[in-house]
Parts: sequence; structure tokens; C-alpha cells
Amino acid sequence: DIQMTQTPSSMPASLGERVTISCRASQGISNYLNWYQQKPDGTIKPLIYYTSNLQSGVPSRFSGSGSGTDYSLTISSLEPEDFAMYYCQQYDSSPWTFGGGTNLELK
Amino acid sequence: EVQLVESGGGLVQPGRSLKLSCVASGFTFNNYWMTWIRQAPGKGLEWVASITNTGGSTYYPDSVKGRFTISRDNAKSTLYLQMNSLRSEDTATYYCTRRFDYWGQGVMVTVSS
Repeated sequence: DIQMTQTPSSMPASLGERVTISCRASQGISNYLNWYQQKPDGTIKPLIYYTSNLQSGVPSRFSGSGSGTDYSLTISSLEPEDFAMYYCQQYDSSPWTFGGGTNLELK
Repeated sequence: EVQLVESGGGLVQPGRSLKLSCVASGFTFNNYWMTWIRQAPGKGLEWVASITNTGGSTYYPDSVKGRFTISRDNAKSTLYLQMNSLRSEDTATYYCTRRFDYWGQGVMVTVSS
């Protein structure tokens, strides 16, 4: 199974700040990497697919990059609604696996 | 508008069974693979099962293989998850997703005596 290691697990940040969340796969995943946002009520919102493609309706302040085993999600300027949990997920090979999550919280 | 609405959750005793449903709307259901994902309380996300658009092939992780069965009724635009021999570690919120680009709101399953 491919292990996904997400860092940091918790990130205090301020409004307007630029933040980056990292995700490392235990083996190469050929850019088959998704990012999700989860709010406290459990709602899951897909943000990015195939490393760097924004899902429909996702603001342009979100971006994704990476290759091989190392990937990242960047939010260029934090808005109040961005404080949430974030997860990466690989879909290169079964079983599809997720990172442990990053809790982006207001400093 | 794409919508996925799960139902069928609840409290069940260990060893018993439960069947979840996910009704889809707003897209051509029989064109898409569908997947169940779960999240135990306070934990991360875990893939549970996937099914091809025709229902001809299904996929499971080892943690549920042989106990859970994913199926679909394309005429009813409905996805199912039959869960047998439930264990306390199956306690989670279960989400259905269309190829990971749309997700339902989730349904809670609690396995406890």
C-alpha cells in the first residue's frame, strides 16, 4: 500500500497569510493526487485533482503542485472560510489512500 | 446540480448487518464509477469500496473484503453498501462519492452493544 504523509498536522495561520501544506507518498504516484477540504460539520469539498487542476468553483487562491513523491497545496492569501481540515489522496494504485490531514487553524 | 444523498445509518450491534444507500441526481449515474469512503470519529479518511459504472467490477481494501459488498441499481440511480459482520472499528461516517469529484454529506454508522 502507498502511504501518504501529510505535514504539518496542525498549522496556525493568520488572515491574508500564504500557507503551504505538504504531502509525501511512499512511492511515486505519477501526479495522481487529489486535495480536499473538510469543514467541522463534516462537509467534504474537493479542491484539486491530478496535482494541480482546480475543481469547478474553487477560488484561484488555491493551487497545487508536485511530482514523483512530493506534492503541495498552497493557499495564497487566507480567507476566513479557509480555516478547516485538508487532506491529500493518491489514486495511482489501489488501495486509494489519504494523508492524515492538516488542521489549518486561526492564529 | 449534482447531489448525493446517503441514508440507512444508525446504531447496530457487533456482528449484525446494515445496508447504506446513496441516491444520486443531477448527472448520468450509469456513466460513473462510484465509491464509498468512511471516517471514524476524530480520524482521517479511509477508502471502503468502489464499483465500475456498469457494476461489473468491484474493489475493496483488505479491512472490509469479504464483509462489505458494494452494488448499484442504475435504473434507480442508487448506490448501496451492504455491511455484514460489523465490528466496533467500522463505526464511522460513511460518504458516497462520484469518482472523488462530488461527495455526499455522509451518514453515521455506530457499531456498539
